[in-house]
Amino acid sequence: EPEVTQTPSHQVTQMGQEVILRCVPISNHLYFYWYRQILGQKVEFLVSFYNNEISEKSEIFDDQFSVERPDGSNFTLKIRSTKLEDSAMYFCASSATGSRYGYTFGSGTRLTVV
Amino acid sequence: GENVEQHPSTLSVQEGDSAVIKCTYSDSASNYFPWYKQELGKRPQLIIDIRSNVGEKKDQRIAVTLNKTAKHFSLHITETQPEDSAVYFCAAASNSGGSNYKLTFGKGTLLTVNP
Repeated sequence: EPEVTQTPSHQVTQMGQEVILRCVPISNHLYFYWYRQILGQKVEFLVSFYNNEISEKSEIFDDQFSVERPDGSNFTLKIRSTKLEDSAMYFCASSATGSRYGYTFGSGTRLTVV
Repeated sequence: GENVEQHPSTLSVQEGDSAVIKCTYSDSASNYFPWYKQELGKRPQLIIDIRSNVGEKKDQRIAVTLNKTAKHFSLHITETQPEDSAVYFCAAASNSGGSNYKLTFGKGTLLTVNP
């Protein structure tokens, strides 16, 4: 079964540093998402991406965040200047269409900001 | 925007008993309601979903019911087993008029099935 792949699985970074979280969506999928989950809390929507542009973003997704699809396979989330409160599990997801069906989550990147 | 409330936050049952988790949502435009199971440190895994034109759906020991009028939906697990122990999240999907569907999650229910 096709999978969404995320790297690294765990990233530790100093406060104020930039981090890039990487995702390889399922190859024929067209819609891409980032969600985050602070430890012990619910999964929260960050951003959706289609046709090389952001479709929707949440209030969490401020100017410190950006997304990019630099080539035909990768989908990245960049946090420019990390804060302690950015520590969370970040999940990438993709779907074949904009439909509400067929959402596949990656295994996540645990980001720890120290 | 959409708001999803989920209850209870923790649920402990004996093996073989049934477990019920309930969610309510606020946006009447939401029309897709998935349930995810998340084991510790793992990704959310879709276990069952229901669309707004259906009132109930069943898959072996798992069933979901939807009441659109009351804006609530529930997950029912029968004959629970220890391996059902996990955090369960409900979600509602809306597209806010755009083309992508974003998921709004509930806060999760930690289900513990005691042998």
